[in-house]
Amino acid sequence: DTEVTQTPKHLVMGMTNKKSLKCEQHMGHRAMYWYKQKAKKPPELMFVYSYEKLSINESVPSRFSPECPNSSLLNLHLHALQPEDSALYLCASSQVEFGVANYGYTFGSGTRLTVV
Amino acid sequence: DQQVKQNSPSLSVQEGRISILNCDYTNSMFDYFLWYKKYPAEGPTFLISISSIKDKNEDGRFTVFLNKSAKHLSLHIVPSQPGDSAVYFCAVTQEGGGADGLTFGKGTHLIIQP
Repeated sequence: DTEVTQTPKHLVMGMTNKKSLKCEQHMGHRAMYWYKQKAKKPPELMFVYSYEKLSINESVPSRFSPECPNSSLLNLHLHALQPEDSALYLCASSQVEFGVANYGYTFGSGTRLTVV
Repeated sequence: DQQVKQNSPSLSVQEGRISILNCDYTNSMFDYFLWYKKYPAEGPTFLISISSIKDKNEDGRFTVFLNKSAKHLSLHIVPSQPGDSAVYFCAVTQEGGGADGLTFGKGTHLIIQP
């Protein structure tokens, strides 16, 4: 299995809703990431989990709450979002330490989030 | 300040010709360089990569060249095909820093014309 699976593919939520994005991989990768991508912009890093521990939080507002229940799963809990949070949310995974023979990220296809 | 620059927002190439996409970076500490292809509303798809110990890596129609002294890399696609039309992102990271996440350029929209 060489894929990162993200669910749901599309999500519309109100500003008072609570929802979660899910990401799963079975490649044995111990680093997992959340990226946010707005239209015509490159992906921007939000969070990094390394060995199931949060290692990087790129000053993301607390209305986004990541969770890594185990080495295969990554969640992003959403609460009280704003319309400007509408974007494509991408999950990715990789080995924690890059070596010459083993580097590269695998991205999921993303969740298209619309906040109304 | 941008650490990774793709100075051409778009590039139009005739089908069958060579497409050359360029990327410049500022930090000599970067060790791994990756190219991703992205269609609208989809996640980036990994294309090809190169580590700083090499200056060329080839995979089928795709070749990446790295010039460390110039802090420049390029992606060559030959021959270009209509399905290659997409946005191409250059991304970089550091050795042992896989878990630091990738830093992306702003992307180049490649348009292959029949």
